[in-house]
Formats: sequence, structure tokens, C-alpha cells
Amino acid sequence: AIRMTQSPSSLSASTGDRVTITCRASQGISSYLAWYQQKPGKAPKLLMYAASTLQSGVPSRFSGSGSGTDFTLTISCLQSEDFATYYCQQYDSYPRTFGQGTKVEIK
Amino acid sequence: QVQLQESGPGLVKPSETLSLTCSVSGDSISSNYWSWIRQPPGKGLEWIGYIYYSGSTYYNPSLQSRVTISVDTSKNQFSLRLSSVTAADSAVYYCAREGIYYDSIFFDFWGQGTLVTVSS
Repeated sequence: AIRMTQSPSSLSASTGDRVTITCRASQGISSYLAWYQQKPGKAPKLLMYAASTLQSGVPSRFSGSGSGTDFTLTISCLQSEDFATYYCQQYDSYPRTFGQGTKVEIK
Repeated sequence: QVQLQESGPGLVKPSETLSLTCSVSGDSISSNYWSWIRQPPGKGLEWIGYIYYSGSTYYNPSLQSRVTISVDTSKNQFSLRLSSVTAADSAVYYCAREGIYYDSIFFDFWGQGTLVTVSS
């Protein structure tokens, strides 16, 4: 199985900050990577797929980049509604695997 | 709009079988792939397996010996059975659609999740 490793596991930031989360795959996955946002008590919500394609309705302050084994999710200007946990997920092969999550907390 | 809804017992005894059903509306189950994913309290996401409407399945090797996913196209539902459960199987269980977009297949719609606790 492909192992997905996110960093950091958590971070504290203020509204208006620029935030970057990284995700590394244990082997190359081309651009077959998705990002999800999860708020407490809710199901994950798709933010991005194909590493950098924004899902319909997701604000443009979210962006993604990378290919192969190294990927990033950037929130350009953190808003109050962005405080949540973020997961990357590879869909290059089965079994599908997720990163362990990055919790974005209020500083 | 595609909607998924999990249903089933919230409490299962150790060594017994966990059974959940996912009802799909807004899309035919005879398209895309349909998965189960779980999340232990306070922990990350673990993919359990998928089923295609034809009945073909793929399970996570870590759970393969205990998992069965089935589909009922007449009811637009798919189901999960996990046998010989222990406390480690306590989790929120989600059903999700793995939508097919050109060469990308990812989880675009999720159910709200249902908490299953394994306890005597």
C-alpha cells in the first residue's frame, strides 16, 4: 500500500495568514491526489483533485501543487471557516490511502 | 444532488458482525464506485473497500478476511458486513461515492457517517 505522510500534524495560525500543508507519497502517484477538509462531527469534504484542480464551489484562496511524490495545499488568506483538519488521499492505486491529517487551529 | 445515508445498529457486541447499509439518492448505483471508509474517534481515515454495480469488489488487505460489501441495485443501496469485531473496530463509518472524472477517481460525495461502538 502507498503510505501518505502529511506535515505538520497540526499548526496554529491567525485569520489572514498564509498556510501551507505538505503531503508526501511513499512512491510516485503522478497527480492522482485529492485534498479533503473535515470539520468536527462532519464528513470530509472534497476540496481539490488531480493535485491542483479546485472542486466546484471551493474558494479560490485554496490552491494545490505537486506531482510524483511531493504535494502541497496552500490557503492564501486563512478565514475563520477554514479552521479544520485537512487530509490528502492518493487514488493512484488500491487500497486507497489517506494522510494522517493536519489540524489547523486558531492561534 | 447526490446524497448518501448510512443506517444500521450503533452498538455491536464483540465477536459479532457489524452490518451497515448505504442508501443512495440523486444518482444511480449502476455507475461509479461505492466505498466504505471508517474513522476511529479522534483518528484518521481508513478506506475499507469498494463495490461496483456489477458486483466486483476490492477490499483493504488489512481487513479483507473479515469484510464483505454487497450491492442491491433494485434499492439503489450497498451494504457492509464486518465480522468478528473487536473494540478496535469502533469508529464512525462513512459510505462514499468514488466519482469517475476522465482519468481521476476520487471521493466526491460522502454520507454523514454513523458511529458504531463495539462493546458488550
